[in-house]
Amino acid sequence: AQSVSQHNHHVILSEAASLELGCNYSYGGTVNLFWYVQYPGQHLQLLLKYFSGDPLVKGIKGFEAEFIKSKFSFNLRKPSVQWSDTAEYFCAVNRRNYGQNFVFGPGTRLSVLP
Amino acid sequence: DVKVTQSSRYLVKRTGEKVFLECVQDMDHENMFWYRQDPGLGLRLIYFSYDVKMKEKGDIPEGYSVSREKKERFSLILESASTNQTSMYLCASSFLAGDSSYEQYFGPGTRLTVT
Repeated sequence: AQSVSQHNHHVILSEAASLELGCNYSYGGTVNLFWYVQYPGQHLQLLLKYFSGDPLVKGIKGFEAEFIKSKFSFNLRKPSVQWSDTAEYFCAVNRRNYGQNFVFGPGTRLSVLP
Repeated sequence: DVKVTQSSRYLVKRTGEKVFLECVQDMDHENMFWYRQDPGLGLRLIYFSYDVKMKEKGDIPEGYSVSREKKERFSLILESASTNQTSMYLCASSFLAGDSSYEQYFGPGTRLTVT
């Protein structure tokens, strides 16, 4: 079965700390990869996506992610977090040519302390 | 700007009631989805629809049905609500953003409590 795992359930950081959230998926083939963010009380928003090309992708609000095919990973990074980054982050995978099957990870809650 | 709207942000229903959750998108997207979001489980797909009157079961369709009579509207129906259906329900639509690559947009969610 397809699965997406996220390494941490809850991450607590101080402002200005660096962030890395892990995401791994369990199947081969060509994939599209996404990170979504859900701020408290708001809807899921797309942070960034990888379809093809440069495995290092940049998203909104200073986030970036690196696709490492050999490790089946798509980790999210930000060099310096802010209090406003407090949110829940979801990794999602869609297998290319397999239609609309988006599989989401369980989410990582990020708390940034001011 | 894509807009996916859901009819209610919060809903409280009694066990055994029939519940309708409505979702509307304004971008003429072919595909629409219903997920439920539970802590520690992420988003799980209930149903999706790739065209009017067309639907496919997702990972957890039991206890749910859907209706898509118009392209912009996708309804989730709980025929007889149960307490284990208390959850956050998210609607999404998707479009072809690249070569065989789709991108989803989400609505604000409906938090359903079944008592």
